[in-house]
Order: sequence, then structure tokens, then C-alpha cells
Amino acid sequence: DMQMTQSPSSVSASVGDSVTITCRASQSIRKYLGWYQQKPGEAPKLLICDAINLHSGVPSRFSASGSGTDFTLTISSLQPEDFATYYCQQANSFPLTFGQGTRLEIK
Amino acid sequence: QVQLVESGGGVVQPGGSLRLSCVASGFAFNNYGMHWVRQAPGKGLEWVAFIRSGGSEKYYADSVKGRITISRDNSKNTLYLQMSSLRADDTATYYCAKTYVPSAGDYLDYWGQGTLVTVSS
Repeated sequence: DMQMTQSPSSVSASVGDSVTITCRASQSIRKYLGWYQQKPGEAPKLLICDAINLHSGVPSRFSASGSGTDFTLTISSLQPEDFATYYCQQANSFPLTFGQGTRLEIK
Repeated sequence: QVQLVESGGGVVQPGGSLRLSCVASGFAFNNYGMHWVRQAPGKGLEWVAFIRSGGSEKYYADSVKGRITISRDNSKNTLYLQMSSLRADDTATYYCAKTYVPSAGDYLDYWGQGTLVTVSS
């Protein structure tokens, strides 16, 4: 099965900062990589699909890049509502797999 | 608006069975593939199973294969997850989620609020 590895596992930042999270697939998943945001007690929300495309309603301070095995999610000018856990997910083949998550905390 | 409402969770003994349901509204349920994803307490997301819109094509995570069956009743706009031979490591919140169609990839664009399954004696 495809393994998805995120780094870092956690990161601390301040409002206004920029942060980048990386996700590596154990083999090529072409462009089929999604990013999700999850806040405590809530279901995950789709942020990005096909590695670079913002899902409807997602603020433009979120951006993403990558293809093949290496992908990044960047959040610019962090807002208080952005502090959450972020997961990557390969959407290339079944079984689908998620990364282990990156917890973004307020410094 | 799209709504997914799960039910059927609870406490079950190891080796027991449970059936989860997810009632969908706000979209043409019979046109969309559907997923189950679970999250153990304090842990990350684990994809569990998928079923195509017509119900003929199904996929499962290796960790649940042979013990869990996904099904759907399009006439009732309802998705099911039949779980048997439950183990302690099946303890999790189970979410149903809808497939995001505009991409060829399998993404999950709407999620329910989840239902908690606890496997304990």
C-alpha cells in the first residue's frame, strides 16, 4: 500500500507567519494529492485537490504544489482559525491513505 | 445543502458486531461514490472503505478486509458499514464522506459528524 509521510509532525507559529508542510508518497501518485484541515471535535475539511487546486471557499492564503512523490502545503499570513491539524491524502489508487497529520499550534 | 448523518455507534464487546448507517441529503446520492473513514481517539485519519455509486465496486483497507462490509441503499439515500469480529483497535469515530466528483482522483468533500464505536468488555 502507498505510504504517506508528513513533516513536521507538529509546528508552532504566530499569527501572521507563514508555514509549509510537506508530504511524501512512497511511490508516484502523479497529481492525485489532497490536503485536509481538521479542528478538534470537527470532521475534516477538504482544502486542496489534485495537488494544487483550492477547493471551493478555501482562502487564497492556502497554496500547494508538487507532483509525483513530493508535495507541499503553504499557509501564508496565518490567521487564528488556521491553527488545526492538517492531513495529506493520496487519491491515486485504492486503498486510499492519509499522512499521519501535522499539528499547527499557536506559538 | 449536503448533509451526512451517521448513526449506529456504541459500545460493543470484542468479537461483536455492529452496523453503522449514514443518511444523505442535499445531493443526488445515487450518483456519488461514498467512503467510510475512521479516527481512533487522539489519532490520525484512516480510510476504511469505498463503494461506487451503483454499489457494484467496493474497496477496503487491509486492516478491515474480511471483517467489514460496505453497502448502500440508493432508494433510502443510506450508506451502511457492517462490522463484525470487532477488536479493541477498531475503537474510533467513524465518518461517512462523499466523493468529490470533478477530479479523477478520489477525494472526500463532505463529511458527516461521525459516530463513535467503542470495542470494550
